[in-house]
Amino acid sequence: GQNIDQPTEMTATEGAIVQINCTYQTSGFNGLFWYQQHAGEAPTFLSYNVLDGLEEKGRFSSFLSRSKGYSYLLLKELQMKDSASYLCAYLDSNYQLIWGAGTKLIIKP
Amino acid sequence: GAVVSQHPSRVICKSGTSVKIECRSLDFQATTMFWYRQFPKQSLMLMATSNEGSKATYEQGVEKDKFLINHASLTLSTLTVTSAHPEDSSFYICSARAIPGSDYEQYFGPGTRLTVT
Repeated sequence: GQNIDQPTEMTATEGAIVQINCTYQTSGFNGLFWYQQHAGEAPTFLSYNVLDGLEEKGRFSSFLSRSKGYSYLLLKELQMKDSASYLCAYLDSNYQLIWGAGTKLIIKP
Repeated sequence: GAVVSQHPSRVICKSGTSVKIECRSLDFQATTMFWYRQFPKQSLMLMATSNEGSKATYEQGVEKDKFLINHASLTLSTLTVTSAHPEDSSFYICSARAIPGSDYEQYFGPGTRLTVT
């Protein structure tokens, strides 16, 4: 089956750190993506993890544990422009993206 | 690199008419293009997957006779919404997967906002 979950909404303060979790259950796995989507716009690529561990890209980091079916996106030094929805998606055995419902992140001053 | 364009960005049409949306990969060839639909405050819903030169594969619940997909070349796919109704109003997004592609990242177009009156 295909199941992927992430929180619906999170709130954080400007300048702080926030971690958005994503859990999945699948019999076939070929990597996990994180995308950012601002309201009314298409998603933009943030990260791709296929091996376990943490990958850091500037203020954003993404972590994957394949044995636990778990990933998180870590955003540091939050800025108001980071207010957006964050979508996790995994590649299944057919290399098709299976999408989570997205986490709406609200940044407060 | 890896830019995908969509045209038009916004379209308003009357109920019963048809609308064509174009998706182009500008600087790469795409083996596969995907069409998504997104309703307000919801996640992306995959409608269909199209491979150049072959028929599209539609997801369950998507009417292939209503949403016509043509992937005529490695850089162009079109989605035609036939006999549009107000419930078809949505944000339609295409994405493309590059060849040869050692990764499977999908590059997204900017989306098309369809409003059916």
